[in-house]
Amino acid sequence: GAVVSQHPSWVICKSGTSVKIECRSLDFQATTMFWYRQFPKQSLMLMATSNEGSKATYEQGVEKDKFLINHASLTLSTLTVTSAHPEDSSFYICSAIEGTQDQPQHFGDGTRLSIL
Amino acid sequence: DAKTTQPPSMDCAEGRAANLPCNHSTISGNEYVYWYRQIHSQGPQYIIHGLKNNETNEMASLIITEDRKSSTLILPHATLRDTAVYYCIVYPTGTASKLTFGTGTRLQVTL
Repeated sequence: GAVVSQHPSWVICKSGTSVKIECRSLDFQATTMFWYRQFPKQSLMLMATSNEGSKATYEQGVEKDKFLINHASLTLSTLTVTSAHPEDSSFYICSAIEGTQDQPQHFGDGTRLSIL
Repeated sequence: DAKTTQPPSMDCAEGRAANLPCNHSTISGNEYVYWYRQIHSQGPQYIIHGLKNNETNEMASLIITEDRKSSTLILPHATLRDTAVYYCIVYPTGTASKLTFGTGTRLQVTL
């Protein structure tokens, strides 16, 4: 089946640093990838949609200059949290779709980000 | 806004069938019903999806009513590893669109 790998699975860093999270589709090409954020005891909230070779589309309220998304190839998208602060601590999850139509999204196992 | 309604929690004895209901009374003709689950501290896992007909795969069965206003996910023989939050999501065909997660149903499988 379709496998999405996310790295790292867990990161702790100091306030003010930038953190990069990678999302890879291992056995399929993903024209579209999505980035979600999940706070404790809440549901997943979409942050942005990433299409290979084009700029990401951000949801309302998500700062594009703070959450930089790059989808440079059909198997890799990255999310960089710039100048991270404690309020950015969350569970970040990516998903990918094989092709464009009528295919399920497959999710990575998430990255737990803790900012001290 | 989530377009589905699910009970917040359910319990099921191990080995028994778990039947998880979902109401989607405003579903459009071009929208699928998708089911995902999320085990604690993991990413969501795709389970099954359908448009009109009932569907079955190695994980579960999906029963969609004839008017498509509700559906039921059936785990035929629940195990402790099926304890998770189950999300029912309506999703348009022919697109690569975002998934809108509601609050889901927390299924607790017990001995």
